[in-house]
Amino acid sequence: GESVGLHLPTLSVQEGDNSIINCAYSNSASDYFIWYKQESGKGPQFIIDIRSNMDKRQGQRVTVLLNKTVKHLSLQIAATQPGDSAVYFCAENMGGRAGGYNKLIFGAGTRLAVHP
Amino acid sequence: DTGVSQNPRHKITKRGQNVTFRCDPISEHNRLYWYRQTLGQGPEFLTYFQNEAQLEKSRLLSDRFSAERPKGSFSTLEIQRTEQGDSAMYLCASSLGGRVTLTDTQYFGPGTRLTVL
Repeated sequence: GESVGLHLPTLSVQEGDNSIINCAYSNSASDYFIWYKQESGKGPQFIIDIRSNMDKRQGQRVTVLLNKTVKHLSLQIAATQPGDSAVYFCAENMGGRAGGYNKLIFGAGTRLAVHP
Repeated sequence: DTGVSQNPRHKITKRGQNVTFRCDPISEHNRLYWYRQTLGQGPEFLTYFQNEAQLEKSRLLSDRFSAERPKGSFSTLEIQRTEQGDSAMYLCASSLGGRVTLTDTQYFGPGTRLTVL
């Protein structure tokens, strides 16, 4: 099938290990952030989001951390599984206080490769 | 399937031809977005509708591109006189926005892959 993100940085992990994917965002006025997972040939799939009034949010096997001081987001995946292999994008929402109309600005993406 | 749907999934056309893509958002979602994604990049915003109104267009949306959402439900994106540089994945997303909330979760469709020969 067609590949998403042919030249993206790659994080390789062993099945069962924890994964941490990092992202820097650009606009200090952005107040809503989302992580998406994209598999080859598919559209981005929502994973977890966080608003700027929070530092941490947990979902099922995933945690997002937000550091507004250095404009940094991270996605932690616990007990990584082969099905987690995909390209992961962070996105900042330029709406709200940033003044935009709810458009998303995506980061460069990271390919996660999970090895058995 | 109650997610965002897009048709066609793949389109191959010759340079200079016109193409039209369709997006059906999640039922009841009042906001609809178009993005473009090239290989190795994240999606780039093209345009945004709230109900029937097109509220924002990116500078990426040249005069050859036009988008409509005539009844506030499905949307079409037309590219006239296609160029090889238009080859990309065209993604549609929808969200449910309230009067107060300007930022909400966007859910994406599978995309339409355009190849211009």
